[in-house]
Amino acid sequence: KAGVTQTPRYLIKTRGQQVTLSCSPISGHRSVSWYQQTPGQGLQFLFEYFSETQRNKGNFPGRFSGRQFSNSRSEMNVSTLELGDSALYLCASSLAPGQGANTEAFFGQGTRLTVV
Amino acid sequence: AQSVTQLDSHVSVSEGTPVLLRCNYSSSYSPSLFWYVQHPNKGLQLLLKYTSAATLVKGINGFEAEFKKSETSFHLTKPSAHMSDAAEYFCVVSASGGSYIPTFGRGTSLIVHP
Repeated sequence: KAGVTQTPRYLIKTRGQQVTLSCSPISGHRSVSWYQQTPGQGLQFLFEYFSETQRNKGNFPGRFSGRQFSNSRSEMNVSTLELGDSALYLCASSLAPGQGANTEAFFGQGTRLTVV
Repeated sequence: AQSVTQLDSHVSVSEGTPVLLRCNYSSSYSPSLFWYVQHPNKGLQLLLKYTSAATLVKGINGFEAEFKKSETSFHLTKPSAHMSDAAEYFCVVSASGGSYIPTFGRGTSLIVHP
């Protein structure tokens, strides 16, 4: 079956613009999590959605937001882009929220965002 | 509160020799622990996970890890390295049960020499 699909794969934006990234989970998975990966900060959790509700949120400013649709697809939005937002944004899907015994997370290849 | 420390930013081995990637954690709750691998320009792939069952966990591609509560460690090992094992490895801790926020280590780059 198809894996986690993130679009677009690469994106270049200008400071001050906003951007929307998309994530289509594995069929049947209802939980989607987002992560930011940078050389300086490593991998950091952004937020998690399950059944269209945000369940957890990491320590990021309000410029970072997300949502999940009824078909479990998710989008994340970053407004008023800053140079420091340049990163690889990874999405992961799982059957249920949390990383317990039955909720392995499957990652997409990511969207590489460059802010100039 | 929780944290994870990967003790080596780079590990270099020769093909066919053992691999040891070290991870120490701290958690206020009973932890779930994971190792993920990331090949260049790829997403993360789960190697193995500990969720309070057996302390010796076997994963994919010959990797295994042992949960040692007294040492708060979850080191990743493999008896014999292959060239294809060259990648970035991440140790992750999260509180088992209920809501959680996973904390990732900074990663260990495994270099395998022919």
